[in-house]
Amino acid sequence: QLQLQESGPGLVKPSETLSLTCTVSGGSISSSSYYWGWIRQPPGKGLEWIGSIYYSGSTYYNPSLKSRVTISVDTSKNQFSLKLSSVTAADTAVYYCARGVTAPGWYFDLWGRGTLVTVSS
Amino acid sequence: AIRMTQSPSSFSASTGDRVTITCRASQGISSYLAWYQQKPGKAPKLLIYAASTLQSGVPSRFSGSGSGTDFTLTISCLQSEDFATYYCQQYYSYSTFGQGTRLEIK
Repeated sequence: QLQLQESGPGLVKPSETLSLTCTVSGGSISSSSYYWGWIRQPPGKGLEWIGSIYYSGSTYYNPSLKSRVTISVDTSKNQFSLKLSSVTAADTAVYYCARGVTAPGWYFDLWGRGTLVTVSS
Repeated sequence: AIRMTQSPSSFSASTGDRVTITCRASQGISSYLAWYQQKPGKAPKLLIYAASTLQSGVPSRFSGSGSGTDFTLTISCLQSEDFATYYCQQYYSYSTFGQGTRLEIK
């Protein structure tokens, strides 16, 4: 059974770069059927799609975050990663990684448990 | 960017009730709409995709309908485990979520 697990620092200082990794287990990240995505949720608020990546490295980003976001994939480790630069308190959120079914954007059928990242000095 | 608006933002209902949540897209999205359920402290769970297709394992009391700009999620007979927050999501162009509808026990 495929599972996703987020990992990374829970506290990031303002203006620094947030870095998270999602490890996929129980299946291959190199499946041709799926993209892999990051979604975040500020405390008490709704969901925001950050971006999606294919195992080949093809990426799509939310236009509102595009200038600060980089998503990469490491198929040898069955992982994909998120970097968000120049963070502020507004980037404090639970960050989820998820498997995206392409059609033509993505809906997300499997999710990690999420990890809370707080931006504070 | 496509905006998704859900209504109501929150409401209360009783076990056994039939409830409907509405989602409207700012432009036509065909049937590229999904619904998720989220409980406190948990990740969202996919309920419906393609506006009306039930995800495997989701109870049949959940149903979805609509196309174009107007969509609905219906729960035919509320169970205690259905009290949660529900989100719609368009995937016609990238991905955008609605603001959520919180369903509480009356």
